[in-house]
Amino acid sequence: DSGVTQTPKHLITATGQRVTLRCSPRSGDLSVYWYQQSLDQGLQFLIHYYNGEERAKGNILERFSAQQFPDLHSELNLSSLELGDSALYFCASSVDASGGLGSYEQYFGPGTRLTVT
Amino acid sequence: AQSVTQPDIHITVSEGASLELRCNYSYGATPYLFWYVQSPGQGLQLLLKYFSGDTLVQGIKGFEAEFKRSQSSFNLRKPSVHWSDAAEYFCAVGAPEISNFGNEKLTFGTGTRLTIIP
Repeated sequence: DSGVTQTPKHLITATGQRVTLRCSPRSGDLSVYWYQQSLDQGLQFLIHYYNGEERAKGNILERFSAQQFPDLHSELNLSSLELGDSALYFCASSVDASGGLGSYEQYFGPGTRLTVT
Repeated sequence: AQSVTQPDIHITVSEGASLELRCNYSYGATPYLFWYVQSPGQGLQLLLKYFSGDTLVQGIKGFEAEFKRSQSSFNLRKPSVHWSDAAEYFCAVGAPEISNFGNEKLTFGTGTRLTIIP
């Protein structure tokens, strides 16, 4: 158990819908990263939040957004869902975002499997 | 930008045999290197990490990896595999020299699926 929690574990929804995925980082970690794992794209970095602020964006679609709340939990919002959005979405956390070792040692949650039908 | 190549999509080994999973990276300086394992239906578990110093690093579950700068490689090894090692293994790289408060993402390889036969 990494200490990172994600809910829900599974999500099945229809095209065009909107969903919210939730992540709670390890106790004491200030950074939250979201990754998408799909068969065709592999593991791709989506977005990084540090202590409530957006720090970096990767291959994140405009239909997707995220935020990190004062209690440090994070939510990934996916809207206007398409079949191709079906994937496993991981959240990871690290101690900080200083660019040092603590930033890169990331611990992953169990993931949310999203199926769009 | 940094990249990672795992040349072997699928490897099958016998239980008790030794294992080596290959990982090559592309980056202009010394990266941070990681191996993660993903069991079916599970998240990614950090096996080991390399930041600097001794190029042979020990991890959990009896795994080790060796950083070879001259070959841009970070291969994962285990002297004797167990049936429970069957999983998907991912090599990942972080690029510290270009990090500037916001670039601490990990770049992953495509993974190697390990099958263990009795």
